[in-house]
Amino acid sequence: DIQMTQSPSTLSASVGDRVTITCRASQSITTWLAWYQQKPGKAPKSLIYKASTLESGVPSRFSGSGYGTEFTLTISSLQPDDFATYYCQQYDTYSPTFGQGTKVEI
Amino acid sequence: EMRLLESGGDVVQPGGSLRLSCTASGFPLSKSVLAWVRQAPGKGLEWVSTISGVDAAVHYADSVKGRFTISADNSKNTVYLQMDSLRDEDAAIYYCANEGHSSGHCGSFDPWGRGTLVTVSS
Repeated sequence: DIQMTQSPSTLSASVGDRVTITCRASQSITTWLAWYQQKPGKAPKSLIYKASTLESGVPSRFSGSGYGTEFTLTISSLQPDDFATYYCQQYDTYSPTFGQGTKVEI
Repeated sequence: EMRLLESGGDVVQPGGSLRLSCTASGFPLSKSVLAWVRQAPGKGLEWVSTISGVDAAVHYADSVKGRFTISADNSKNTVYLQMDSLRDEDAAIYYCANEGHSSGHCGSFDPWGRGTLVTVSS
């Protein structure tokens, strides 16, 4: 299986900060990468697919980039509603795998 | 609006069985691919299984292969996950999710259901 590694595991930030989360794949997945946001007690919500395409309704302060094995999720100006855990997921193979998550906290 | 609703979660003893259901609304299962993704308490996300409503193709994670069976009833727009020989490590919230965007092998997941809790305990 393709291993996905996120960094950092926890990120302390303030409202208005620019935040970047990194996701690395153990082998090339071209752009078959998605990002999700999960709040406590809730199901994950899809933010980005194909590395950089925003899902409908996702605020433009979220952006994704990368190719091959290294990817980033950037929040340009952190809002109170953005404090959550973020996961990356590869879907290059028949066995999709997730990163371990990055918790964005105050 | 696409919606998924899971049910069937319960407390079960190790070695026991349970069947989860996921009912889709707002879109036909016959044109979709649905997956089960689980999350153990305080842990990350783990893909479990996928079924195509188009051609009934199925895929399983190695951790559940031979113990779990995914199936679909297109007439009821419902996907099932039959879980046998349950282990302590199967305890989790089980989410149903639609493959929103595919690479041709599998896809990203959107939307997700609210999940159903499976507890494995003696």
